[in-house]
Amino acid sequence: GAGVSQSPSNKVTEKGKDVELRCDPISGHTALYWYRQSLGQGLEFLIYFQGNSAPDKSGLPSDRFSAERTGGSVSTLTIQRTQQEDSAVYLCASSFRLPRETQYFGPGTRLLVL
Amino acid sequence: GQNIDQPTEMTATEGAIVQINCTYQTSGFNGLFWYQQHAGEAPTFLSYNVLDGLEEKGRFSSFLSRSKGYSYLLLKELQMKDSASYLCAGQSSYKLIFGSGTRLLVRP
Repeated sequence: GAGVSQSPSNKVTEKGKDVELRCDPISGHTALYWYRQSLGQGLEFLIYFQGNSAPDKSGLPSDRFSAERTGGSVSTLTIQRTQQEDSAVYLCASSFRLPRETQYFGPGTRLLVL
Repeated sequence: GQNIDQPTEMTATEGAIVQINCTYQTSGFNGLFWYQQHAGEAPTFLSYNVLDGLEEKGRFSSFLSRSKGYSYLLLKELQMKDSASYLCAGQSSYKLIFGSGTRLLVRP
């Protein structure tokens, strides 16, 4: 079956531009997560969506970051006025509803801000 | 706090056994995950421990001691393809809190 997909796989942008990153979770998974992984670092939690509940945005590093999830499926992570320190791999994961369910990761979007 | 510590790098020989340790200081962790991540790829699930003890799955085993805040991943009969980063992650409710990962290099 299809796994988590993300697009674009790579994105190069200029400082100050806005970018949108997309995630398609595994069909039937109601939980969706965004993480950021800087070079040589572990994964940093950004945001969590569960069904129609209010998202947990506690990991978003600044108000330039926002995310939405439409129809309980596809999610978009938006970074406004990008900065060089935003350069990282942005990973999306999805899982079934229960907290102990395994999270399955997408291939990530590699963002480079020049 | 929710700190997760694991060694930065380890080297081992093909065919050998290696143990990757993970320690954590936290409250509220209700499970401990291990993920494997090859360079440039997404993390893939290896194991999950919620109770104390050893979980064995083929060449890979994972151990958890909740009272000691300690886990390890044991890889047996190492193969070259096992060269990757191994990420320890504590689960706090629905969140995964990741360590920085251990880069394992398997030499011939």
